[in-house]
Amino acid sequence: SSELTQDPAVSVALGQTVRITCQGDSLRSYYASWYQQKPGQAPVLVIYGKSYRPSGIPDRFSGSSSGNTASLTITGAQAEDEADYYCKSRDSSGNLRLFGGGTRLTVL
Amino acid sequence: QVQLVQSGAEVKKPGASVKVSCKASGYTFINYVIHWVRQAPGQSLEWMGWINAGNGNTYCSRKFQGRVTINRDTSASTAYMELSSLRSEDTAVYYCAREDHLGELSFDYWGQGTLVTVSS
Repeated sequence: SSELTQDPAVSVALGQTVRITCQGDSLRSYYASWYQQKPGQAPVLVIYGKSYRPSGIPDRFSGSSSGNTASLTITGAQAEDEADYYCKSRDSSGNLRLFGGGTRLTVL
Repeated sequence: QVQLVQSGAEVKKPGASVKVSCKASGYTFINYVIHWVRQAPGQSLEWMGWINAGNGNTYCSRKFQGRVTINRDTSASTAYMELSSLRSEDTAVYYCAREDHLGELSFDYWGQGTLVTVSS
């Protein structure tokens, strides 16, 4: 399968921990990367590889993977974390890139 | 600093073509792959294809084969994506993104996006 599946929407109380998941066969072999997108803005890389954060991304963002599922965890969610989150991976040929359908995170 | 600056918004009629540019700065253009991603209004990100800025090799999603042309001008550090036979469903924001081959093929920098509107 060449699809990545995400829950459409997730909510979290301010300051609490939330996990956003991404499922797909490619994730058994390749790491996902995660992108945050706020309304009217381009996506921003927040997690890549095993659980690496680009410069400037708060350490409350972390990633993990098990089997066919990759997860993005936000520990102590802040109001500014409210956004759409997309996972991305690749196929076995190395040519295709795959995006999940996105998860809208609401911080209550 | 690394920047990808895209061309401005376009309005096209059905059946026409559109060409979007992505000018790179702040890094060695030919050392990276540039990808194109689009997002229809209210929809998720959709990967379209890539170009190896060094050797010019390209690859695109089966969905766009025959309609999309991706190329680059190394002297201008600019990548281009041309989409032909436009239809209303092609109305979207088109993004270019740099792929970090040292960062697990993540898209570490993105252009600001170019809105393409297809309307009669």
